[in-house]
Amino acid sequence: GAGVSQSPRYKVAKRGQDVALRCDPISGHVSLFWYQQALGQGPEFLTYFQNEAQLDKSGLPSDRFFAERPEGSVSTLKIQRTQQEDSAVYLCASSVGDSHNEQFFGPGTRLTVL
Amino acid sequence: AQSVAQPEDQVNVAEGNPLTVKCTYSVSGNPYLFWYVQYPNRGLQFLLKYITGDNLVKGSYGFEAEFNKSQTSFHLKKPSALVSDSALYFCAVRDMGTGGFKTIFGAGTRLFVKA
Repeated sequence: GAGVSQSPRYKVAKRGQDVALRCDPISGHVSLFWYQQALGQGPEFLTYFQNEAQLDKSGLPSDRFFAERPEGSVSTLKIQRTQQEDSAVYLCASSVGDSHNEQFFGPGTRLTVL
Repeated sequence: AQSVAQPEDQVNVAEGNPLTVKCTYSVSGNPYLFWYVQYPNRGLQFLLKYITGDNLVKGSYGFEAEFNKSQTSFHLKKPSALVSDSALYFCAVRDMGTGGFKTIFGAGTRLFVKA
């Protein structure tokens, strides 16, 4: 079956541009997570959705970061006025039930801000 | 504050020897603990988890981990390493005492298994 997919796989943005990153979770998965992974580091939690409800956004680094999942399936992470420090791999993961279940990760979107 | 530490950036082991990848954690409540593996050019894959019950949990590819509450550790082990086990391993924890949904990952440990 299809896993978690993310698009685009690579994105180059000029500083100040807005970007939108898409995540297609596994069908039927209730939980969806976004992470930011800097080079040589582990994933850092950004936000969590349960269906369409954003239950935890404590990891979003600034108000330039915004995530949505309006119909409880596809999710979009938007970064406004990108900065060089936003350069990272953005990972999406989904899980069947609550967040204590194992997460299935997508391949990530590598964002480079010039 | 919740945290995860993987004290070794890299672990080297000969094929056929036992391997251990260390993980310690700090949480305010009960922990949910996970191990994930990342192979080159592939996404993170789940290996095993501890939620409750038996302290020794078994997972994919012959890996196991032991939850030690007194030492706040969750070390990953395998009795006999394979060259194909060479990858980047991440320990992760969710702190059930916070009421949040955040999963905290360690910085990762790169495992090299030499033939």
